[in-house]
Amino acid sequence: DAGITQSPRYKITETGRQVTLMCHQTWSHSYMFWYRQDLGHGLRLIYYSAAADITDKGEVPDGYVVSRSKTENFPLTLESATRSQTSVYFCARASNPTGSGANVLTFGAGSRLTVL
Amino acid sequence: QQQVKQSPQSLIVQKGGISIINCAYENTAFDYFPWYQQFPGKGPALLIAIRPDVSEKKEGRFTISFNKSAKQFSLHIMDSQPGDSATYFCAASTEGFNKFYFGSGTKLNVKP
Repeated sequence: DAGITQSPRYKITETGRQVTLMCHQTWSHSYMFWYRQDLGHGLRLIYYSAAADITDKGEVPDGYVVSRSKTENFPLTLESATRSQTSVYFCARASNPTGSGANVLTFGAGSRLTVL
Repeated sequence: QQQVKQSPQSLIVQKGGISIINCAYENTAFDYFPWYQQFPGKGPALLIAIRPDVSEKKEGRFTISFNKSAKQFSLHIMDSQPGDSATYFCAASTEGFNKFYFGSGTKLNVKP
């Protein structure tokens, strides 16, 4: 168990609908991230959070909203889904297991979203 | 603009062969270069990482080669096995900072 849980694993929705992808970590690591994975683009950072109530934009934030009222949870909302947001979404947390200063990202299993 | 460029997009290697994946970056502030391995239906997981003060790091059959002057680094998988079939991502970051930039990924298929 990587200690990071995403839900739902699969979601089909229609254009214009609001969708929320959930992310929960069993630890209380400060940094959490949302990435989207698309063929040919790899992993692109959508939003990240340094702590509860602190969030910032990544490379591709348009059309997404995040919140972090609790350290353990970092939901991602698509306020009005578009077909271009069809993707696999990964939540991740950063930790420093060796204390060396080099952070390691631990990813959830992903949420596959299809927007029709 | 992609911060880290990765090639090839896909790679087919025979069992026992050497798999080589290449990455290049522009931002000289990057000082931490991890590789992540992803199996189908799973999230990526850290495989091996290097800092630019060394030119090579080896862990088992996996080796990172790093060329600071050329701003390039590569992953070598020796004696490739079918179980190595996965998608590999290179990444770059600044140590102590939590923002990682990923390459576009390489899908490796090791034929038995």
